[in-house]
Amino acid sequence: EPEVTQTPSHQVTQMGQEVILRCVPISNHLYFYWYRQILGQKVEFLVSFYNNEISEKSEIFDDQFSVERPDGSNFTLKIRSTKLEDSAMYFCASSEAVATNEKLFFGSGTQLSVL
Amino acid sequence: AQTVTQSQPEMSVQEAETVTLSCTYDTSESDYYLFWYKQPPSRQMILVIRQEAYKQQNATENRFSVNFQKAAKSFSLKISDSQLGDAAMYFCAYLGYNNNDMRFGAGTRLTVKP
Repeated sequence: EPEVTQTPSHQVTQMGQEVILRCVPISNHLYFYWYRQILGQKVEFLVSFYNNEISEKSEIFDDQFSVERPDGSNFTLKIRSTKLEDSAMYFCASSEAVATNEKLFFGSGTQLSVL
Repeated sequence: AQTVTQSQPEMSVQEAETVTLSCTYDTSESDYYLFWYKQPPSRQMILVIRQEAYKQQNATENRFSVNFQKAAKSFSLKISDSQLGDAAMYFCAYLGYNNNDMRFGAGTRLTVKP
């Protein structure tokens, strides 16, 4: 079965540093998402992306966050100046169509640790 | 705003038996979708089952089935013939029609005893 690939699986960074999380969605998928899960808490929606622009974002997704699809295959989440509270598992997901009509395929996640 | 509540932080079941995980949600929308996701220790998110609110028939996927009560805003997951591999965190999720903002419950940790 095709899968969403996320790299790295674990990233450690210093507070205040920029970090880029990378995702390779399934090749024929058109919709892309980032979710995060702080340890022991629920999974939270961050942003959805379609046709090279953000289609929806949550209140968590502030100016410190940005997303990009730089080369037609990768989908990245950038955090400009990381804070301790950004430590979480970040999940990328993709779907062939809007999430209501097609199931989301989640990646295995990137565990971000901010020290 | 839509909220999803899973009132059972932990559940356990004996292997081969049946267990039901509860989920309730709050919404003013009439069209929406409900999901159960499984998160094993690897922390992957795996779709277990999906229900469209406009469908009266409860969704089933092999040993997994749901009891969808739209009026009560309840969406429970039944796992029959539980297997050791079913042990995981289970998340209930809500998605409004033509929406991309999936809302998750806090999760239920399921333990399967041999």
